[in-house]
Amino acid sequence: EVQLVESGGGLVQPGRSLKLSCLASGFTFSNYGMNWIRQAPGKGLEWVASISSSSSYIYYADTVKGRFTISRDNAKNTLYLQMTSLRSEDTALYYCAQGWFAYWGQGTLVTVSS
Amino acid sequence: DVVLTQSPATLSVTPGERISLSCRASESVDTYLHWYQQKPNESPRLLIKYASQSISGIPSRFSGSGSGTDFTLSINGVELEDLSIYYCQQGNSLPYTFGAGTKLELK
Repeated sequence: EVQLVESGGGLVQPGRSLKLSCLASGFTFSNYGMNWIRQAPGKGLEWVASISSSSSYIYYADTVKGRFTISRDNAKNTLYLQMTSLRSEDTALYYCAQGWFAYWGQGTLVTVSS
Repeated sequence: DVVLTQSPATLSVTPGERISLSCRASESVDTYLHWYQQKPNESPRLLIKYASQSISGIPSRFSGSGSGTDFTLSINGVELEDLSIYYCQQGNSLPYTFGAGTKLELK
């Protein structure tokens, strides 16, 4: 059974940093591209970033480019999202998703507020 | 960016009826169009991939059709458990984009 478990969310002040993790199990992690998608409270879904299986290809939404960094450790079956210069508009539930969004984790909540 | 326009925004339904939800793309996405269901306080769940391909474990009352710019998600015999928000998403070009969603509510 595919499982994706996000962690690392929390309350952070504007301008500060936070690093999210997504621990994967139930599939061969190193064979799949991975993604971060977020959902602001009461709003729709927004794609944030994607990374290929070997980290050769990385893509970002314009709203986070230059501030967020997606990475992965295939030995640890873990996907990461390093978020810097956080803004109030980054407040959202952050999901990791496998491949072409076939499986999603339960999300981790990031709240940016002073 | 490809804009996906979903209609209607809200649909009031009666259990047992057949319904159709629309998703229109601002430019062709071929068949790189996927549908998700999101229940309150749950993660999105993939319902249909590549416009019309079924997903293992998803009830057969869900089906998808379309290509290019016009897509439809159909539910043949709505059940109470289907009251959710439905999103379409295109994977044809970056940035990947989602529609704003269609909310199914009980009439």
